Formats: sequence, structure tokens, C-alpha cells
Amino acid sequence: DGGITQSPKYLFRKEGQNVTLSCEQNLNHDAMYWYRQDPGQGLRLIYYSQIVNDFQKGDIAEGYSVSREKKESFPLTVTSAQKNPTAFYLCASKQEFNTDTQYFGPGTRLTVL
Amino acid sequence: QKEVEQNSGPLSVPEGAIASLNCTYSDRGSQSFFWYRQYSGKSPELIMFIYSNGDKEDGRFTAQLNKASQYVSLLIRDSQPSDSATYLCAVIGASGSRLTFGEGTQLTVNP
Repeated sequence: DGGITQSPKYLFRKEGQNVTLSCEQNLNHDAMYWYRQDPGQGLRLIYYSQIVNDFQKGDIAEGYSVSREKKESFPLTVTSAQKNPTAFYLCASKQEFNTDTQYFGPGTRLTVL
Repeated sequence: QKEVEQNSGPLSVPEGAIASLNCTYSDRGSQSFFWYRQYSGKSPELIMFIYSNGDKEDGRFTAQLNKASQYVSLLIRDSQPSDSATYLCAVIGASGSRLTFGEGTQLTVNP
């Protein structure tokens, strides 16, 4: 089965803890993306990576970190510096041609207790 | 001005009617345009993409692009209750490296 997987589906965190959200794809896509979605809002870009070992900040990178050590994996760490982390987190990927379609994983819903 | 703006919702139409969803964008060099559908609690799924001016039809869906007016729309013919969802417009700008999303329009199709 080809696709994008995210884990866990639901995640609960205590204030002050770092947590890491997993994103894996077996589509052989070059580019991967992390978005955050708040209730009733659109998607806001956190970080993206166009090639292995390289990534760029999106619009709301503060309080988040990423790595891209393998083409198929792009984990997102939500640090304690992120003041309001409760949200729905979506990972996406696409081939690195400008017009290619971006596909989404199923998402991780993070709740801070 | 937001980079991608969608008509404010929610939009409600009766079953069988045409639903019209609109989107404008600010980057005149934008290259590619996408419509995603998102059911509550789920991730977005691609419905249509369009690159060239004019209309593109796929079943009950028609995407329309007017680059001169920086406007893209999605028409849903013979709307069904299963079409009830939030529709997201997304644009790849001149830089070509990322999608920018609008805030979405919530559509409800009433039986």
C-alpha cells in the first residue's frame, strides 16, 4: 500500500513536555510538509523539506523543530516553547515538480492537558 | 491582503442544486491551483487541480480559472448530502515551492 502514514492518531501532552509526531511516506516523493490546523481555520505551514538533510521554516515555525535524515521520513517535534500546541497536525508530500499534487496523511490530533 | 481568500461561509444549498465556491489569490505569478475537500476530523483530499485558464470538468465537479482576474472557482453540480464538507482552495505561487491555503468554505447540502 502506497501512502503517507502519521502516528499517533491522537496524542496528549502535559505542559512543558516535548513530543514528536511521526510522518512516513513510501511514495518516493521528494518534498514533505508539516501543517497545523486549528478549529475552523485553514492550514498553516510549519516547516517543509524539498530534499534530504535540508528544510525551511514555514509561516509558524516558532516552537517546532524537524529533521529530514531519510527521504521517506519527516518527524516534527513540538517543543515546550510552543505556547499553544493543541491542534490538528497534517503531514503532506509531493514530487518536487512545481505543479505536482500534494497528498496528505491522516493527521495527528495533539491535545495539551 | 491574504494570499488566498475564499468566499465566507457557511454555504447551504438544497440537494440537486449547483454549489459555487470561489477563491481569489494575490500572487499574479501563481502557477497551479487546487481544490481539496475536508470532512470534519479528517485530512484534506484532492478533488481537482487546474493549471490553465478556462474550465476543467471531472464528473460533477468543474474548476474554473481566470488568471487575469486572479480568480479560481469550483462548481459542484447535482449537489449531494455527501458533498457536505469544507472546501479548501490552494495555490502554488511564483516561487513554486509551497502551497498556500485559503481558510476554507463550509458547504452543507440539505436533503
